[in-house]
Amino acid sequence: DTAVSQTPKYLVTQMGNDKSIKCEQNLGHDTMYWYKQDSKKFLKIMFSYNNKELIINETVPNRFSPKSPDKAHLNLHINSLELGDSAVYFCASSQGGTGGNSYEQYFGPGTRLTVT
Amino acid sequence: KQEVTQIPAALSVPEGENLVLNCSFTDSAIYNLQWFRQDPGKGLTSLLLIQSSQREQTSGRLNASLDKSSGRSTLYIAASQPGDSATYLCAVLAGGFKTIFGAGTRLFVKA
Repeated sequence: DTAVSQTPKYLVTQMGNDKSIKCEQNLGHDTMYWYKQDSKKFLKIMFSYNNKELIINETVPNRFSPKSPDKAHLNLHINSLELGDSAVYFCASSQGGTGGNSYEQYFGPGTRLTVT
Repeated sequence: KQEVTQIPAALSVPEGENLVLNCSFTDSAIYNLQWFRQDPGKGLTSLLLIQSSQREQTSGRLNASLDKSSGRSTLYIAASQPGDSATYLCAVLAGGFKTIFGAGTRLFVKA
């Protein structure tokens, strides 16, 4: 069973369109994240959700809106897509606590978004 | 502001060599530090997680150390193999579930 899954794997769309990326985790974790990996392969956190509440929003344009219908899902909706949004988007999850593995992050396979 | 730096940016070694990858961070107020590997076109695979109260973790041929006071972590890979070729990333988890990644070290192990 895939621990963290994302759909779609590839997304090609035109400027100005609106698109969504879905993420699901079956690990029972209470925190989920969205990251953006740019063309230089640098990973930067965009959002984090803990128990369905937004924790951080790192200088991301408000065209990006995360939505968490429940603890196992964190979707990313993007409005009015721009060329600069082309990147690989990764979803991740982790579980809080005090154990040795607390907050260990598990990543999904990524969604490669290309805006033309 | 937390910054994470990885040195070297790229490394090429012959098979069988032991090697060390370095990660440094500017703010010692971290919850944990995690090492990942990323293969081209793939997602991130967790290698080792070190909690802020720990000094090192080991898994097979991998050993990661953490010196929080000096803001440093090292990933030691013993007896490197061509299958170890990948990009290795370190990430620190700070307050507010904020994770900061380094730019990575691209490792190539020659057969």
